Amino acid sequence: QMQLVQSGAEVKKTGSSVKVSCRASRYTFTQRHLHWVRQAPGQALEWMGWITTFTGDTNYAQKFQDRVTITRDRSMSTAFLELSSLRSEDTALYFCTRSGSYGDFAFDDWGQGTPVTVSS
Amino acid sequence: QSVLTQPPSLSAAPGQKVTISCSGSSSNIEKNSVSWYQQFPGTAPKLLIYDNHRRPSGIPDRFSGSKSGTSATLGITGLQTEDEASYFCGTWDSGLSGGVFGGGTKLTVL
Repeated sequence: QMQLVQSGAEVKKTGSSVKVSCRASRYTFTQRHLHWVRQAPGQALEWMGWITTFTGDTNYAQKFQDRVTITRDRSMSTAFLELSSLRSEDTALYFCTRSGSYGDFAFDDWGQGTPVTVSS
Repeated sequence: QSVLTQPPSLSAAPGQKVTISCSGSSSNIEKNSVSWYQQFPGTAPKLLIYDNHRRPSGIPDRFSGSKSGTSATLGITGLQTEDEASYFCGTWDSGLSGGVFGGGTKLTVL
């Protein structure tokens, strides 16, 4: 069974940055895109961006264009999400998720989620 | 405000059928494949439907999907108490060049 394991909960101050990791196992890391999706408490899913794990090419949602960076380390089979200039509205559960088995925007495997809390 | 519109909540009795709608536009649903997800509180979503109507292996045929124009629908027949969850639709938006999701529908099975 494919697996995505994320880093632990983060508590950050307003204006700071956070970096969340997502380690893939039990499949070939570079054969699937990895996306980041967040969910504020009681709210909808929100797509943030993706990385083509083979080339490192990225595509970000317009809303986060100037604050988000998605990277990957092929040797570690790990993708990273960095979000800067944090505000209280960024308090959410951040998921990494994988696409490619059923289409570029169908997510068949998910990490467990990383809670990020932003406060002043 | 989500780009895709879903009813916030629905309820139905065990054994009944329910349909959940997802309304979008010509730049998202009409042009691209729709997927559906089931989510229980505090857990990651689970893929139920991809490519508008296809089920991944292991998803029972009680779950079905369809698409027409700028709208998509998830159907669940033979409702069970364990189907009580939130359901989200998602697709690519060619105008935004990004992914979009619906606001989610909380299904109560009573």
